Amino acid sequence: KQEVTQIPAALSVPEGENLVLNCSFTDSAIYNLQWFRQDPGKGLTSLLLIQSSQREQTSGRLNASLDKSSGRSTLYIAASQPGDSATYLCAVSGTGGFKTIFGAGTRLFVKA
Amino acid sequence: DAGVTQSPTHLIKTRGQQVTLRCSPKSGHDTVSWYQQALGQGPQFIFQYYEEEERQRGNFPDRFSGHQFPNYSSELNVNALLLGDSALYLCASSFQYRSPLHFGNGTRLTVT
Repeated sequence: KQEVTQIPAALSVPEGENLVLNCSFTDSAIYNLQWFRQDPGKGLTSLLLIQSSQREQTSGRLNASLDKSSGRSTLYIAASQPGDSATYLCAVSGTGGFKTIFGAGTRLFVKA
Repeated sequence: DAGVTQSPTHLIKTRGQQVTLRCSPKSGHDTVSWYQQALGQGPQFIFQYYEEEERQRGNFPDRFSGHQFPNYSSELNVNALLLGDSALYLCASSFQYRSPLHFGNGTRLTVT
């Protein structure tokens, strides 16, 4: 049974700081891994998708890496801004692409 | 290009009642997944529909049922509502169950 864990559960940083969010999963037989952002009471916005054959993906100030063998992914946010304050969720899809399993998320607060 | 739309946005029901939530997938998508998100937790997978059939199911009782229509839209039905069913219900769509998930803004269900 796939389990996804995100550390830390919450993080508060000053504006401008670079930061790393961690995600670990127990079953390395994944199809892809996706990072999402969720604002309070809202739906999820996809940030980055990494296929199982890839090592990393980049979009603007965001960089996500995947180490399937160790069951880990990191989301790197460069030069954080107050607008980055949100909950960041990691999700993995099993082989075949079915049944995406989410972590509990990391709540990020960037202080101005 | 319309994204994933869900209706209604908010709903208040009484214990024991039944509820139907609706989802229209993003244009070009044919797969719909439903998630339940309790406050402060990550989304929990309920089930996934593709080609009008339930393809995968999470650990939810039979009180939770669904349907997918020929136009790919979907409904989530919950019978005999319990207080614990209060949550944000999220719908996600994808193309052929393997592409990135795109989420709607969810339906906030409150059971009193």
